[in-house]
Amino acid sequence: EVQLLESGGGLVQPGGSLRLSCAASGFTFRNYAMSWVRQAPGKGLEWVSGISGSGINTYYADSVKGRFTISRDNSKNTLYLQMNSLRAEDTAVYFCAKEESGSHGHPFDMWGQGTMVTISS
Amino acid sequence: DIQMTQSPSTLSASVGDRVTITCRASQTISSWLAWYQQKPGKAPKLLIYKASSLESGVPSRFSGSGSGTEFTLTISSLQPDDFATYYCQQYDSDTFTFGQGTKLQIK
Repeated sequence: EVQLLESGGGLVQPGGSLRLSCAASGFTFRNYAMSWVRQAPGKGLEWVSGISGSGINTYYADSVKGRFTISRDNSKNTLYLQMNSLRAEDTAVYFCAKEESGSHGHPFDMWGQGTMVTISS
Repeated sequence: DIQMTQSPSTLSASVGDRVTITCRASQTISSWLAWYQQKPGKAPKLLIYKASSLESGVPSRFSGSGSGTEFTLTISSLQPDDFATYYCQQYDSDTFTFGQGTKLQIK
């Protein structure tokens, strides 16, 4: 069964850091690009960052560029999102999502259940 | 960034109705458009990709059309399970963007 399981969310003060993880199973992880998508409470979906299957190519939304870093460990079938200099507006449920191909630029055919990140003092 | 605008934001309909949701892109995206369904507290689910291709396992009452800058999602005969929020997403550029969502509610 294809499964994505996020972890690492929590409550952090503004300016703090957090690292999210997404453990993948049921498919050949290295063959697929992955992304992080977030959803603020009561709001719509916002794509945050993407990474190719090899991990060589990374992509970021302007809202997080320079603060967030996406990475992956294909030996551990795990996707990461390192989030620094966190702001109140980063408060959201963060989903990891699998693209339909190894290169970035495809729709998401599988999503995790999400992990909540709250930025507050 | 490419902006995606959905209309309407909210749609009230009854079981059995035919409904259409529109998504407009701020610049041409060819057919690189997907539609997702999201229910409260759940992850989104892919319905349509490449503007008009039905994802495996999705009921045939869902269909998509359009190219360039204007796209539509149509549900031919609403079922109780279809009341949810729907999002379009462009994947033409490296920085993906979603529409703001259309909440489909029971009339």
